[in-house]
Amino acid sequence: QQQLQESGPGLVKPSETLSLTCTVSGDSISTINYFWGWIRQPPGKGLEWIGSIYYDGSTNYSPSLQSRVTISLDTSKNQFSLKLRSVTAADTAVYYCARHVIAAPRGGVDRWGQGTLVTVSS
Amino acid sequence: DILMTQSPSTLSASVGDRITITCRASQTINRWLAWYQQKPGKAPKLLVYKASILENGVPSRFSGSGSGTEFTLTISSLQPDDFATYYCQQYNSNIYTFGPGTKVDIK
Repeated sequence: QQQLQESGPGLVKPSETLSLTCTVSGDSISTINYFWGWIRQPPGKGLEWIGSIYYDGSTNYSPSLQSRVTISLDTSKNQFSLKLRSVTAADTAVYYCARHVIAAPRGGVDRWGQGTLVTVSS
Repeated sequence: DILMTQSPSTLSASVGDRITITCRASQTINRWLAWYQQKPGKAPKLLVYKASILENGVPSRFSGSGSGTEFTLTISSLQPDDFATYYCQQYNSNIYTFGPGTKVDIK
């Protein structure tokens, strides 16, 4: 069964860049059936969709984060990554990597990483 | 952007109760809606996709319905394992958005 695992620093200084990587195991990410995405959840709050990437490298981002976000793919390592620039305390959250099913008739996010807490603080 | 709302924000119920959570979209999303259950400290779990199709392994006491802009998630007989927070998510466009969540707690 396919698994996703986030990795990256748990502490980032304000104004710096948050960088996370998701390693996918159990199957190739070079498939037409899924988007690969990032979702975050500030402590005690709801889920916020950040963006996603397709196997061909095409991306979609939340309009509220678009100016600061880049999601990229490394098919040789079966990984995808998130960069969020110019972070503030408001970016403190648990960050999940996720697999969005796009192959009909299925849909939704059917695989999630365990989540990693990233704290923005000096 | 497609905005999602949920009601109620909190629902207090007892084991055995039938409960319904409503999710509304700011514009039509056809049936491109998913429901998730999340427990504290855990990643969300997919329950329903395409508004009414149960994910494999999800108990039949869960059901989803709706289309267009209004959707519901119903639990026919609440079980102890069901006390959690529930989120809807639209995937009509390639910009996905979540609802704010509904916390189901013990009355």
